[in-house]
Amino acid sequence: AQKVTQAQTEISVVEKEDVTLDCVYETRDTTYYLFWYKQPPSGELVFLIRRNSFDEQNEISGRYSWNFQKSTSSFNFTITASQVVDSAVYFCALSASGYSTLTFGKGTMLLVSP
Amino acid sequence: ETGVTQTPRHLVMGMTNKKSLKCEQHLGHNAMYWYKQSAKKPLELMFVYNFKEQTENNSVPSRFSPECPNSSHLFLHLHTLQPEDSALYLCASSQVGLDSYNEQFFGPGTRLTVL
Repeated sequence: AQKVTQAQTEISVVEKEDVTLDCVYETRDTTYYLFWYKQPPSGELVFLIRRNSFDEQNEISGRYSWNFQKSTSSFNFTITASQVVDSAVYFCALSASGYSTLTFGKGTMLLVSP
Repeated sequence: ETGVTQTPRHLVMGMTNKKSLKCEQHLGHNAMYWYKQSAKKPLELMFVYNFKEQTENNSVPSRFSPECPNSSHLFLHLHTLQPEDSALYLCASSQVGLDSYNEQFFGPGTRLTVL
């Protein structure tokens, strides 16, 4: 069985602070894919990133960066110099193969105040 | 239209009404999904359609009835709902297959209120 744990239910930061959202996963599959989604107050889940299990390179996209570590089964997401527009619920998800459904974590609500 | 669209965006209905939610994807995907997101609860996968065939039904009550006439359209027919069915209903689509990563793309959701 697959499982995704986002232990942080809610995080509050002040604008320009860096913040890291944690994601820990469990799977018995050797090939799998990890995802992060953002859900702003409007409701739509926005795809942010996909990472393959065989590619442990960290990725940076602007103020966003992702740290994938197979040794600790973690796929953490860092926002540098946070902004009010980053306020949203962030979901981490896991897919074992191209045919399987996504297993979502419970989400972390990030509140960035000015 | 691009991506995944959902109509209506907001819906208020009584417990005896019958209504339908519509989802359309313009991404050429072969799988579509219905999710339910209630306040303070995690995302719940309701139904999955691969190549227009229903492949998952996660113990959803029969008052929710999905329909997938083709790979681009997905409906959720609602009848005799309960107040606890009030939630955000999200539709998603993805490309499934051996060489795909199954990343799902979501619509904006329908916020349903059952009185």
